[in-house]
Amino acid sequence: SQKIEQNSEALNIQEGKTATLTCNYTNYSPAYLQWYRQDPGRGPVFLLLIRENEKEKRKERLKVTFDTTLKQSLFHITASQPADSATYLCALGNNNDMRFGAGTRLTVKP
Amino acid sequence: GAVVSQHPSWVICKSGTSVKIECRSLDFQATTMFWYRQFPKQSLMLMATSNEGSKATYEQGVEKDKFLINHASLTLSTLTVTSAHPEDSSFYICSASRRRGNQPQHFGDGTRLSIL
Repeated sequence: SQKIEQNSEALNIQEGKTATLTCNYTNYSPAYLQWYRQDPGRGPVFLLLIRENEKEKRKERLKVTFDTTLKQSLFHITASQPADSATYLCALGNNNDMRFGAGTRLTVKP
Repeated sequence: GAVVSQHPSWVICKSGTSVKIECRSLDFQATTMFWYRQFPKQSLMLMATSNEGSKATYEQGVEKDKFLINHASLTLSTLTVTSAHPEDSSFYICSASRRRGNQPQHFGDGTRLSIL
């Protein structure tokens, strides 16, 4: 069965460092992968979408890589700030079928 | 742009009550809307996908008679939890996308449902 794993339930880093979150998947060949941010008690907010034929995507301090051979995506936040503290979800999809990972809770300490 | 409004944000009601949750796309037309359920510290679990004007497609294990979905227009979808019981207590979130296919989903802020 399809499985999506995000590297850890929680990640703590110091302000200014780069946060790296991992999303691994098995038994699935997604056409695209998306990353979302979710704050407590709120709905997820879309951050980035990367397609299967793209290796890397950037948006301001965010960078996403997509390796279909390793079946892995890495999500980087450079120069992290306490305001980046949230849960980050990866989601894999084909057309309208999209499945979410359980998320990684990132805490950036001042 | 791409704002989705979900209402109500929280509901507390007695067992046996039916509860309706509305999901509206405020500044775009949503061809497809999705309903999710989320338990604490767990992932979003897709319940059903609805396209405007057609019947919703439910995920395996989701009772369509229990969770009634109506997507009557390009800006409104409703989820009705019929005869709710304590085990239906959860965080329900809707999302909408402009087109079918590989598109970002825009989420509402969820509805916290507590059945006593």
